[in-house]
Amino acid sequence: ETGVTQSPTHLIKTRGQQVTLRCSSQSGHNTVSWYQQALGQGPQFIFQYYREEENGRGNFPPRFSGLQFPNYSSELNVNALELDDSALYLCASSLGEDQETQYFGPGTRLLVL
Amino acid sequence: ILNVEQSPQSLHVQEGDSTNFTCSFPSSNFYALHWYRWETAKSPEALFVMTLNGDEKKKGRISATLNTKEGYSYLYIKGSQPEDSATYLCAPFPTGANNLFFGTGTRLTVIP
Repeated sequence: ETGVTQSPTHLIKTRGQQVTLRCSSQSGHNTVSWYQQALGQGPQFIFQYYREEENGRGNFPPRFSGLQFPNYSSELNVNALELDDSALYLCASSLGEDQETQYFGPGTRLLVL
Repeated sequence: ILNVEQSPQSLHVQEGDSTNFTCSFPSSNFYALHWYRWETAKSPEALFVMTLNGDEKKKGRISATLNTKEGYSYLYIKGSQPEDSATYLCAPFPTGANNLFFGTGTRLTVIP
């Protein structure tokens, strides 16, 4: 059973650029959730995808968007990057039921200059 | 937005000491509470999912209790070891939501 993987591990962008982060979910999991962890805070929910459809969204602007593919892997896209977007981005996969454990990847650390 | 508080923010204990920390959350609309352990440079690791008031779960030297009526959970570590050094996060999962609401965590350092 392979775990959740994320790519890239680190990247540096400048303000105004666009970025795409990738997540491969754990085998058999059909739900992927994305979280942002800014310095000194707990992870904050961005959105969730279930079977290729967005299934809930946190308090993030529309320039944060996502996709889920038929193999249940997922992308997080952020347009018009701002300095405050610098954070660790985590994805988590699960079987989709409410109280099911979410299995996290190691995260992508994004620095916006 | 859900107000989730964890205390203390950080603590240092000697190897062999037992320790505990607290997670407080709104008792209304409670559905489940998740605990995670997060070691530096690794993925957050699921410890427990708790749903019932009075529930107690155990995994090796780590255990957790849940009080949904008053909105708190305790995590206990018995005989702390250096490998227990990590940030421990709690995350309620309210009714009607489809995401976890994380606290800021308790950072534990076990000194050999």
